[in-house]
Amino acid sequence: GAGVSQTPSNKVTEKGKYVELRCDPISGHTALYWYRQSLGQGPEFLIYFQGTGAADDSGLPNDRFFAVRPEGSVSTLKIQRTERGDSAVYLCASSLPGVAGELFFGEGSRLTVL
Amino acid sequence: AQKVTQAQTEISVVEKEDVTLDCVYETRDTTYYLFWYKQPPSGELVFLIRRNSFDEQNEISGRYSWNFQKSTSSFNFTITASQVVDSAVYFCALTGSGNTGKLIFGQGTTLQVKP
Repeated sequence: GAGVSQTPSNKVTEKGKYVELRCDPISGHTALYWYRQSLGQGPEFLIYFQGTGAADDSGLPNDRFFAVRPEGSVSTLKIQRTERGDSAVYLCASSLPGVAGELFFGEGSRLTVL
Repeated sequence: AQKVTQAQTEISVVEKEDVTLDCVYETRDTTYYLFWYKQPPSGELVFLIRRNSFDEQNEISGRYSWNFQKSTSSFNFTITASQVVDSAVYFCALTGSGNTGKLIFGQGTTLQVKP
């Protein structure tokens, strides 16, 4: 399809395990964002890529979280030593450059840490 | 600090009623953008509208209208003649001038429209 694609849609893991979440943005969208949404809350910003580089990673909660976008398209959010508090829906969004805030979101990856 | 407050957690109306969703924001930026997003049960947030801080004109799009008032730091959203398909969680959001993709979202208002 033409939208933002996220995989897996659901991920259940045990505390302490490593997890990767993938985002495939809309073709031609140079900006890519990761947000995290806990139950009953609004999305919280994690990191923003412009092309291959992380332009703003101020929202990453700690050094267990890391994201890459090596070729300026697909991005992977990596979480090491998962904790129960990491359980949330991780949302990816992309946008065209210069179009302030008009983000196209994927359906999210629901992470559950047991 | 930047903050968005949506005081209404849940609203329930009957189809064809008008409903207004409130949004109050805080920012020290002189240039900023305000947004509304809709999140249906499928979970995918959908962009509805963007307003920049220099444009206080109200906007109407079909059954949707938005009232931006800088004097009260509010950006309210009205749905006229609501329909069951309008049932969703609605988020108001704010961004600064520096990183226009770093949105600060409110907690959301769950709107239920009953037939």
